[in-house]
Amino acid sequence: DAGVIQSPRHEVTEMGQEVTLRCKPISGHDYLFWYRQTMMRGLELLIYFNNNVPIDDSGMPEDRFSAKMPNASFSTLKIQPSEPRDSAVYFCASSLQGAGRDGYTFGSGTRLTVV
Amino acid sequence: AQSVTQLGSHVSVSEGALVLLRCNYSSSVPPYLFWYVQYPNQGLQLLLKYTTGATLVKGINGFEAEFKKSETSFHLTKPSAHMSDAAEYFCAVSDQGGYQKVTFGTGTKLQVIP
Repeated sequence: DAGVIQSPRHEVTEMGQEVTLRCKPISGHDYLFWYRQTMMRGLELLIYFNNNVPIDDSGMPEDRFSAKMPNASFSTLKIQPSEPRDSAVYFCASSLQGAGRDGYTFGSGTRLTVV
Repeated sequence: AQSVTQLGSHVSVSEGALVLLRCNYSSSVPPYLFWYVQYPNQGLQLLLKYTTGATLVKGINGFEAEFKKSETSFHLTKPSAHMSDAAEYFCAVSDQGGYQKVTFGTGTKLQVIP
């Protein structure tokens, strides 16, 4: 398996623009997670899905953030409109049954810079 | 509630020396414990995990960790550091009831000096 695949690897955008991050989880993994990593806040769980259904989005910072998982092999995280404080590395991760038991498999991340 | 404390945000060791990265946890129920490694510009990679059973857990790249309930610790060790071990290491905890409730530590950056 190629692992968790994220695109793009780097994104530079202007404030106010829409940004869409993409993720393909490992086939057969029932859980998909979106994390954000910054120096100030460390790793933050934004949202997670189980069998394509959003289970907990309490970590999504604002209404500007939205996430979807239309099928088992694809998820998106959208920021609209983007702001400079959204600059961070965004990780997608998947897990077979439970991240708290099985652990995560992380993608390589998308480094977002909003100028 | 659960929490993780990693002692030392930066640790330096000489190549060939013992690596010891410290992690203490707090959990009101029996924990599951993890160590992840993050190389520059990459995602986190699972090094090892403790769920139940043997308290000494072996992981990839020669790392191991021991779960000590009495000390609420899960320190990561490697007998001999290699230059390729330079990375950031994260300890994480979850409780056995909440499979998705994972709490990460703040990370320890390991520098290996030739």
